[in-house]
Amino acid sequence: DTGVSQDPRHKITKRGQNVTFRCDPISEHNRLYWYRQTLGQGPEFLTYFQNEAQLEKSRLLSDRFSAERPKGSFSTLEIQRTEQGDSAMYLCASSHDRMNTEAFFGQGTRLTVV
Amino acid sequence: KQEVTQIPAALSVPEGENLVLNCSFTDSAIYNLQWFRQDPGKGLTSLLLIQSSQREQTSGRLNASLDKSSGRSTLYIAASQPGDSATYLCAASGSARQLTFGSGTQLTVLP
Repeated sequence: DTGVSQDPRHKITKRGQNVTFRCDPISEHNRLYWYRQTLGQGPEFLTYFQNEAQLEKSRLLSDRFSAERPKGSFSTLEIQRTEQGDSAMYLCASSHDRMNTEAFFGQGTRLTVV
Repeated sequence: KQEVTQIPAALSVPEGENLVLNCSFTDSAIYNLQWFRQDPGKGLTSLLLIQSSQREQTSGRLNASLDKSSGRSTLYIAASQPGDSATYLCAASGSARQLTFGSGTQLTVLP
């Protein structure tokens, strides 16, 4: 296992289009998190899953955003009707709730909305 | 609501110097505190995790301390090297283990 994997690494889209990102966590990790990071800021929490259940969503996650984690494995984050303000780095992290809960992050997906 | 602050926002030091990065948090009811490194345009690399019951953790030239009562953590880097140049982020973990991050300290180590 090589760690948390995110795809794509970069995405450029036109305003109004829909985009979907994928995250593959470390295989034995049952918790999966999505964060968003804008330039010069620390990442901000968006949502998290324990296995396949989405247990918490931030106020930052508007109704244009939806996340899924079918079968408790990989996760997808979809943004509908993208806006320029959605331009950011989207980071995925995973951890295990019965180990030391250290969070490991992927390399992120850089979204640019033009 | 947890708030995390990192001071300074940027730091430039000559190679070989020892340095301390500071992190403060407002809610002492944390589960753990984690320090990360981020290179430009990249994801986050975990450096050290301190559980709420611990006072410090060490890894190589890095030492992180935690004082829950005062809401502070420090990351000490010994004998800094140009390869240490990056942004360092601290993050406090809440009850659901989601992380609240500071804005980071951008470190430049000059050769």
